[in-house]
Amino acid sequence: QVQLVQSGAEVKKPGASVKVSCKSSGYSFTSHYMHWVRQAPGQGLEWMGLINPSGGTTTYAQKMQGRVTMTRDMSTSTDYLELSSLRSEDTAVYYCARDNSFTINGVSGWWFDPWGQGTLVTVSS
Amino acid sequence: SSELTQDPTVSVALGQTVRITCQGDSLRSFYASWYQQKPGQAPLLVIYGKNNRPSGIPDRFSGSSSGNTASLTITGAQAEDEADYYCNSRDSSVYHWVFGGGTKLTVL
Repeated sequence: QVQLVQSGAEVKKPGASVKVSCKSSGYSFTSHYMHWVRQAPGQGLEWMGLINPSGGTTTYAQKMQGRVTMTRDMSTSTDYLELSSLRSEDTAVYYCARDNSFTINGVSGWWFDPWGQGTLVTVSS
Repeated sequence: SSELTQDPTVSVALGQTVRITCQGDSLRSFYASWYQQKPGQAPLLVIYGKNNRPSGIPDRFSGSSSGNTASLTITGAQAEDEADYYCNSRDSSVYHWVFGGGTKLTVL
């Protein structure tokens, strides 16, 4: 079955960087974009960005520009999210989610399925 | 950039029908998708496209759209449907995606 398995929880100090991994299985890794979404404690979902199937193109949310890097290793079917200059507000659960899309009668739709189990990143001094 | 607006809380009596709405300009151009999230769990896709349910999602969940509003309807709500629900759509002007603020559904 299609599955996304993420790396384990991390605790980082302010100013440090963190790298979260998301390993895909059960589907053609090179056929789908991958999104990253985060959720701060008690808050809603926040879209962070996506990476294209070949790993050559990324698009980041404006809020994340300059601090986030998304990459992928085609040999291991693994996506990576790196966030630098961490601050307390970055404490959140980080999710990877596979992109799916269609266009019917000129109208397009996208959906995120499946999702990884989430990785808790805690930023604390 | 676009925004998607949801009511923060909605309640429904057990077995009754409830509609959760999502408003935003991007919904005039693109379909929304809907996610259910229970405490401590990753979001789960429940509706995508015009009105499509992934395998395993009960048929009491349905979706619709009109103008700038997308709706998720639960017909005959069950206790296990109590959760947070989020809508999502692509931004209408840039290649970004946006989530609604979420609706906390209480089943009474």
